[in-house]
Amino acid sequence: DAGVIQSPRHEVTEMGQEVTLRCKPISGHNSLFWYRQTMMRGLELLIYFNNNVPIDDSGMPEDRFSAKMPNASFSTLKIQPSEPRDSAVYFCASRIAGPSGETQYFGPGTRLLVL
Amino acid sequence: KNQVEQSPQSLIILEGKNCTLQCNYTVSPFSNLRWYKQDTGRGPVSLTIMTFSENTKSNGRYTATLDADTKQSSLHITASQLSDSASYICVVSEGSNYQLIWGAGTKLIIKP
Repeated sequence: DAGVIQSPRHEVTEMGQEVTLRCKPISGHNSLFWYRQTMMRGLELLIYFNNNVPIDDSGMPEDRFSAKMPNASFSTLKIQPSEPRDSAVYFCASRIAGPSGETQYFGPGTRLLVL
Repeated sequence: KNQVEQSPQSLIILEGKNCTLQCNYTVSPFSNLRWYKQDTGRGPVSLTIMTFSENTKSNGRYTATLDADTKQSSLHITASQLSDSASYICVVSEGSNYQLIWGAGTKLIIKP
């Protein structure tokens, strides 16, 4: 099992540019989570999908952020336009939906730097 | 307000020594508590998970305890190794289907 796959692993861009982060969840998992991690705020849940449907996007910072899950094996998180304060590590995690006992499995993260 | 607080914020110990990390929570309703290990530059990896009725759970040299009455948990690491250097994050599930309350983590450094 390859685990959760994220790309790119590192992204450096200039303020105002569009950034697209990609995630491939573990095969068979039907819940997908996007997190953001910074030194100041720790891990923050941005959005959660269940069976490709967004269930809770209350953690999305603002309209500049959008996420899609067109099918069970792929999700994107887009930032447009990007700002320096968006610099962080973005993690994607997946799990099998059910009682909250199921463990989330995290990808390696995308380290984003917005100049 | 649902919160998870961890202490200490950081800890440095010598290789071979034991250590204990603390987690206090005010999450209700409580479903379960997890400890995650996050190596530098990687995503968190689950170490243990405990439900309300479990007092202790081991995973190799890692032993987690849970006191649901006082809402406290600890993670004890025995005979530390250099590879134990990482951040350890306490995560409490609120009882709904997915809501996880994350602690800020304890950064552990093992020195040779």
